[in-house]
Amino acid sequence: GEDVEQSLFLSVREGDSSVINCTYTDSSSTYLYWYKQEPGAGLQLLTYIFSNMDMKQDQRLTVLLNKKDKHLSLRIADTQTGDSAIYFCAETPGTYKYIFGTGTRLKVLA
Amino acid sequence: NAGVTQTPKFQVLKTGQSMTLQCAQDMNHNSMYWYRQDPGMGLRLIYYSASEGTTDKGEVPNGYNVSRLNKREFSLRLESAAPSQTSVYFCASRKTGFSYEQYFGPGTRLTVT
Repeated sequence: GEDVEQSLFLSVREGDSSVINCTYTDSSSTYLYWYKQEPGAGLQLLTYIFSNMDMKQDQRLTVLLNKKDKHLSLRIADTQTGDSAIYFCAETPGTYKYIFGTGTRLKVLA
Repeated sequence: NAGVTQTPKFQVLKTGQSMTLQCAQDMNHNSMYWYRQDPGMGLRLIYYSASEGTTDKGEVPNGYNVSRLNKREFSLRLESAAPSQTSVYFCASRKTGFSYEQYFGPGTRLTVT
């Protein structure tokens, strides 16, 4: 099937690290993305990783890619209350096609 | 740059009514998309336009039509609204070349009663 899977909820304490996981479906996806959605807003691109990379770091964000297991993760270091949102991973199995996960709702506890 | 804009932000329709959702982007992107977002289901692609003059069906096109008016604008039309079309609708445009990421509008919250 074409379901990109994510766990629905994650709760962490402020200052801790958050790890959001995603299992995608198509090993030919060239790019994989992480988007953030705050309440009442559209999706905002956080970061992306090219399929020939294992890891990408961008300030507090670290993306890990395991192509063998089709597993993508997003680590947020020093999580803040402003990081509370829904996080979506997305893959690109075709030239114009994007498949989004169902989203993980991150709640940061003060 | 305004990015991707959508109008209206909110809309309530009665079953059977029609309406058009408007979307425009000022980033000179070739490709544009319409998605719907329902609770627990992520985003599902309704239609996309790879370039000006072309449109293609996505995962859930039934009950919708689209028009790529020019490079900037891509509209979504509901000819006869149904309660199952109650959703949040997002328009997106795709960066041309390199990382191909999408940029999203703020969404239109549609309720069909």
